[in-house]
Amino acid sequence: DAEITQSPRHKITETGRQVTLACHQTWNHNNMFWYRQDLGHGLRLIHYSYGVQDTNKGEVSDGYSVSRSNTEDLPLTLESAASSQTSVYFCASKGAGASDTQYFGPGTRLTVL
Amino acid sequence: AQSVTQLGSHVSVSEGALVLLRCNYSSSVPPYLFWYVQYPNQGLQLLLKYTSAATLVKGINGFEAEFKKSETSFHLTKPSAHMSDAAEYFCAVSRAGYSTLTFGKGTMLLVSP
Repeated sequence: DAEITQSPRHKITETGRQVTLACHQTWNHNNMFWYRQDLGHGLRLIHYSYGVQDTNKGEVSDGYSVSRSNTEDLPLTLESAASSQTSVYFCASKGAGASDTQYFGPGTRLTVL
Repeated sequence: AQSVTQLGSHVSVSEGALVLLRCNYSSSVPPYLFWYVQYPNQGLQLLLKYTSAATLVKGINGFEAEFKKSETSFHLTKPSAHMSDAAEYFCAVSRAGYSTLTFGKGTMLLVSP
């Protein structure tokens, strides 16, 4: 069965360190997304990609970057982690249609000390 | 611009009682609407979606939602709550030509015996 996986599932890091969260999907979807989930804010879009070599900023992109070198993977990098980036991060992917379902990964809980 | 408002960050019901979770949207064009459920420490799972076909949409686990254009609403209902329905529920909106979703802040459903 097709799936979307994230690694690591839990990460503790220190302020100022670079951190990369991995996202891998086997749906063969062109569209991939990164969200963060915080209490009282729901899910907020960080970055998204419509295909290889395409990346776009979302609502809360400051301090984050993504790159898309193949269809399956969209890693999220925190260039210099800050305590405000402590959150749960979700990756998602979907097909080409606007009404297509977004499928979510299990999430990565990141703590920045 | 699109937005979603979920009324009530927490809703409490007794087992066997009606579940009603409210969602109002704002969209300048006909929307696509989604309800997702999130169980503790898991990713989001699609419950149901409205894609401009039938206004009454049936989903998994006995949930359904009705699209009411005049009220700009897409409320989620279930006739009889189960203990296993306890989770957080998110309403989301998209529109033709766009693949990104805008989420509401979520409603936590608490089910008591």
